[in-house]
Formats: sequence, structure tokens, C-alpha cells
Amino acid sequence: QSVLTQPPSASGTPGQRVTISCSGSSSNVETNTVNWYQQLPGTAPKLLIYSNNERPSGVPDRFSGSKSGTSASLAISGLQSEDEADYYCAAWDDRLNGYVFGAGTKVTVL
Amino acid sequence: EVQLVQSGAEVKKPGESLRISCETSGYIFSNSWISWVRQMPGKGLEWMGRIDPSDSYTNYSPSFQGHVTISADNSITTAYLQWSSLKASDTAIYYCARSWIAGSYSHWGQGTLVTVSS
Repeated sequence: QSVLTQPPSASGTPGQRVTISCSGSSSNVETNTVNWYQQLPGTAPKLLIYSNNERPSGVPDRFSGSKSGTSASLAISGLQSEDEADYYCAAWDDRLNGYVFGAGTKVTVL
Repeated sequence: EVQLVQSGAEVKKPGESLRISCETSGYIFSNSWISWVRQMPGKGLEWMGRIDPSDSYTNYSPSFQGHVTISADNSITTAYLQWSSLKASDTAIYYCARSWIAGSYSHWGQGTLVTVSS
């Protein structure tokens, strides 16, 4: 059971907006920044969002992150076929003294 | 260009030892923590632990403490993950990753597949 809770799946048609939630607690999401990773099939994870809502250079602005209290979310607007991937939220957990990942959300483009 | 290049796939028997590597380049090795992340077949990402190459300080996830050892060699800017006695349940892809801003991991190795089978 993951410390951070994500829905197992999400889907949308091309052009739609998809949102993925990430629920944590006072020891992780509420007090530390949230990062999001995209993992395309058969590849290593890629940093998508850091510090709750910042995009690394090269990440399209279709991807956005937000955080409020013990929850965070990733939004993909203008969904594209190449966005089909697994998405993971992650944060440092002060109680566990370690980094924790959500179980991942598989995004399907219909 | 920052690069993390991991050693190749391994096939081992239960009880055997193993060390896999993560060779880095393109940045100052001692300035960034290196973490190891496990991904079991068809499953999600699990953080195993990390090392500060500047002083070799480590901390581990409770789930992996005592079962693996993380180390680093500054002279060759390489980090390692090792097991003294593998189990079948260690079969997984292992990634190394470089810490960046706010604890995020900006660069990842390509992954090393470890298969443990009798």
C-alpha cells in the first residue's frame, strides 16, 4: 500500500483535459514539495513537474501541477496520443525519512 | 550533458551476491545525492535509499534497510547498489537517479534488469 494515493487509471480523448489526484498526509504532501514523473512504456521515468508546479526545461506547458493541503494534482490539457504513460506523484516523507511514490496512474488516450 | 549510465542486465541465483553500477558524467558528482529506485515487474516505483557522494552518508527506506548497500566512488563518479544474498523477490528493474531541486530527480539511468532465479 503506497503512502501517496493515486487513482489507478485515467482516460480521455485527444484534446481533452485529464486530471490526476495524489492524496498524502501531514508528513509528506502537506509539508514537502510534490514532484511528478512520467514513465512511457519500457523507458525510465522522466521528471515532469517539480516543486508542486514547476516544469523542467523542455516539458510542454500542457502539463501543470498544483497542491493544496495534503493533496496534489497533475493536469494534462490538450491530451495527445504520446501522453499515454504511467504518471507518479512523489514527495519526501518526514516520518519515514525517505522519498515516497504514489502507486501510479495509467493514462489512456481513447 | 548530464548522463547516468547503468551496468548491464544480470541473471543470478538465489543466495548469490551482486553489485550494479551507475556511472555519472556532466556534472559535479559530489554536489548531488544519488538514489536507487526499484520497479518490480508490472509494478510501480519504490524508493530504496540514497547516498551523498560528498561524504558517503546514506539513508535507506525501512523496506530495504539491511538488505542492500548503497555506496559511491568519487574518483570514478560512480554509485553502486549491492546485495550480499539475493532472493527471487529481488527480480526487478533498478534505476539510479540524480537529486535536483526540491528533492526531485532530474536525471535517471536507463535501468538495470536483475533476474534472480534458480
